[in-house]
Amino acid sequence: AQSVTQLDSQVPVFEEAPVELRCNYSSSVSVYLFWYVQYPNQGLQLLLKYLSGSTLVKGINGFEAEFNKSQTSFHLRKPSVHISDTAEYFCAVRLNNAGNMLTFGGGTRLMVKP
Amino acid sequence: GAGVSQTPSNKVTEKGKYVELRCDPISGHTALYWYRQSLGQGPEFLIYFQGTGAADDSGLPNDRFFAVRPEGSVSTLKIQRTERGDSAVYLCASSLMAATSPNTEAFFGQGTRLTVV
Repeated sequence: AQSVTQLDSQVPVFEEAPVELRCNYSSSVSVYLFWYVQYPNQGLQLLLKYLSGSTLVKGINGFEAEFNKSQTSFHLRKPSVHISDTAEYFCAVRLNNAGNMLTFGGGTRLMVKP
Repeated sequence: GAGVSQTPSNKVTEKGKYVELRCDPISGHTALYWYRQSLGQGPEFLIYFQGTGAADDSGLPNDRFFAVRPEGSVSTLKIQRTERGDSAVYLCASSLMAATSPNTEAFFGQGTRLTVV
């Protein structure tokens, strides 16, 4: 079975500073990788995804993530955060040879301070 | 509507009662998923429908949980004899293409917050 670990439950950061949210996964088969954002009282919104090809993927709102197969990681980064980036971020995997079930990590709360 | 709609947005029920949670997927989406998100945790898969049939119900925690999608559109998640541990946000998502397509994106609703007192 696959699993996802988000190492930091909370990440406080000052506005305009860079940020990295860490995600590691384990799976015996190939997976697709996703990052979702959840703003307060809203549903999950897809930030970006890795399916194949270039290991550096760019998403919405200036976020990017890099797939590292040897380290089984998919860390999310943004060079300069805004107050509006304050939200919960979830890393997820999906098996590429099965149904569309997503396995999520526990989430990381990004808190951007002025 | 343009997105996935879930009703009610909040539901408070007494322990032992029966509840139904509704999900209206995006029009034309054949795949529909239910997830449960407990406080401070990531969403956990419950069940997946392709059309009218449940293609994967391996995430349902026990036989008190049941879901239907009789016409391949709206889905209802049903919980019998609710327990305090059932308190969570129940999320619904839908996607357009066949489940095994790599470019399938799942769109999530805002969820129903269920509180069992």
